[in-house]
Amino acid sequence: QVQLVQSGAEVKKPGASVKVSCKTSGYTFTAFEIHWVRQAPGQGLEWMGWINVGNAYTKYSQQFQGRVAVTSDTSANTAYMELSSLRSEDTAVYFCARYGIGYVFDFWGQGTLVTVSS
Amino acid sequence: DTVLTQSPGTLSLSPGERATLSCRASQSVNINYLAWYQQKPDQAPRFLIYGASSRATGIPDRFSGSGSGTDFTLTITGLEPEDFAVYYCQQYSNSAITFGQGTRLEIK
Repeated sequence: QVQLVQSGAEVKKPGASVKVSCKTSGYTFTAFEIHWVRQAPGQGLEWMGWINVGNAYTKYSQQFQGRVAVTSDTSANTAYMELSSLRSEDTAVYFCARYGIGYVFDFWGQGTLVTVSS
Repeated sequence: DTVLTQSPGTLSLSPGERATLSCRASQSVNINYLAWYQQKPDQAPRFLIYGASSRATGIPDRFSGSGSGTDFTLTITGLEPEDFAVYYCQQYSNSAITFGQGTRLEIK
């Protein structure tokens, strides 16, 4: 069965960077895009960007351009999202999701809480 | 980017009633790229509808999606207790994704 398992919670200081991993299994990793979506406490879903795992093409939301990098390691079936220059407003749960058949996020990771605090 | 505006922000209904959730886009959306999700507290979202009107596998037929262009609707007929959650619409265009701000469906 398809699974996306994310790394554990992180606490970071303002100005630092965080890298969240998303290990996949149960499907051909290179056949689907992986997207990253975040959710601040009590707020809605905010799309951050995606990677075409097959060719490593990436596209980012303008809001995060220059601060986010999405990468993948095909040998480990794992995608990564690194966010730099963290500020308190980046405190959120970060989700990875597979962009599947039907142009929809059909499988999601469990979420990773990133807390930015001095 | 295409902005999605959902209404109402909160919908208070009783089990058994019908819920109608709206999603309006700032520009026309290709129906193939319009989806609906349900999210419960401390869970990842779960996709319900893709292609504006096709139900995902395992989604009960009380959930239905409709619409085209800039106006889309998620309808839930005969609300069950497990349906009370937050619902999001989502679209894809020009290699970018946007979500609506969500509609909270709460028990009256």
